[in-house]
Amino acid sequence: DSGVTQTPKHLITATGQRVTLRCSPRSGDLSVYWYQQSLDQGLQFLIQYYNGEERAKGNILERFSAQQFPDLHSELNLSSLELGDSALYFCASSVEAGGFNEQFFGPGTRLTVL
Amino acid sequence: AQRVTQPEKLLSVFKGAPVELKCNYSYSGSPELFWYVQYSRQRLQLLLRHISRESIKGFTADLNKGETSFHLKKPFAQEEDSAMYYCARPWNNNDMRFGAGTRLTVKP
Repeated sequence: DSGVTQTPKHLITATGQRVTLRCSPRSGDLSVYWYQQSLDQGLQFLIQYYNGEERAKGNILERFSAQQFPDLHSELNLSSLELGDSALYFCASSVEAGGFNEQFFGPGTRLTVL
Repeated sequence: AQRVTQPEKLLSVFKGAPVELKCNYSYSGSPELFWYVQYSRQRLQLLLRHISRESIKGFTADLNKGETSFHLKKPFAQEEDSAMYYCARPWNNNDMRFGAGTRLTVKP
């Protein structure tokens, strides 16, 4: 699959725990975006990386962090998890960093915090 | 500040009826606007973008700068159009900001 991949598909954990979500962009894409989708908030932009460097930040909590590695895959780390963090987390990638570029989305990771 | 507003969370129409999904944006120069769609059990994907001025799956969207709107329209809705639709625009030349989304249901 040459599209955006995300692992795991589902994650169930307890409050206070820490999890790591992984994303591999499309081949050739340098920019990675993370989004949180919840029922009442819609699709919220969290953070963007381009070629290993943070490029833009959205509504990302201090308990959350991310990075993009030299091979361009990205990880989103969520710590001190709360019930309200339960959501679908999407990763997207694009060729360039500009918001004018079409973004290609992964299938998402569904996080459930119990 | 809300940069893209989709006032309807839910929209339901009958097959064959016209459909319009509303999107308004915060004015900032000449915006580039997008519509993304997420069909059931599929990934979020680009439907159309303002600059292309094309019709995709029968959908069109016209940028109205006076009303700061980019409504998505289709004259005759089909059941397969049922999906979640997001209006989006670039922000700060880096990232994309999405509206809250509208879930369209086309009833038989």
